[in-house]
Amino acid sequence: QITLKESGPTLVKPTQTLTLTCTFSGFSLSTTGAGVAWIRQPPGKALEWLALLFWNDDRRYTPSLKSRLTITKDTSKDQVVLTMSNMDPADTATYYCAHRTLSYFDSWGQGTLVTVSS
Amino acid sequence: QTVVTQEPSFSVSPGGTVTLTCGLSSGSVSTSLYPSWYQQTPGRAPRTLIYNINTRSSGVPDRFSASILGNKAALTITGAQADDECDYYCALYMGSGTWVFGGGTKLTVL
Repeated sequence: QITLKESGPTLVKPTQTLTLTCTFSGFSLSTTGAGVAWIRQPPGKALEWLALLFWNDDRRYTPSLKSRLTITKDTSKDQVVLTMSNMDPADTATYYCAHRTLSYFDSWGQGTLVTVSS
Repeated sequence: QTVVTQEPSFSVSPGGTVTLTCGLSSGSVSTSLYPSWYQQTPGRAPRTLIYNINTRSSGVPDRFSASILGNKAALTITGAQADDECDYYCALYMGSGTWVFGGGTKLTVL
């Protein structure tokens, strides 16, 4: 059974850098084909795919946020970390991590709400 | 920039059938975009309903089905129930490990 859980600050100030951690179990990010994605959802709005980290450390980012995002992994801890720089109130959202299987997401974390406010 | 379109809202009567669609602002949704569908109730994480166009995830009742209809992906709910009232999102796989989600459809069952 695959499980994922997001953790990180609930409140960040504008211009700060957000660091979120996804701790997972039930699979290994060392396994060929594995991938973990980050997806966010502003309050009352739609889901937005942000980034994907492949098992081979290859990375993909949504074009509109590419300059602000970094996704990394700590395989020994079964964790994937997302950093987003220069946070803005418009980045207030629930951030989800999800396990990627080929062309879709088959398991989701519970999400963590991040509020950007001074 | 790729925009994936969904009906903002839809209504269906209990026991009725409804088809939600997922399109592209420019171009057609084809099988090569591997549309997937996610169900989300307020305050909860999304649940994967359907992937690879029309494959139901484990535990998803067979009254949920999906297909390509014309130039769009489509999710059909047959025999709608009260607890089907929630938000539905499609996602298109744009290749090379990138996705775009649609704006979501809020389904009302009444």
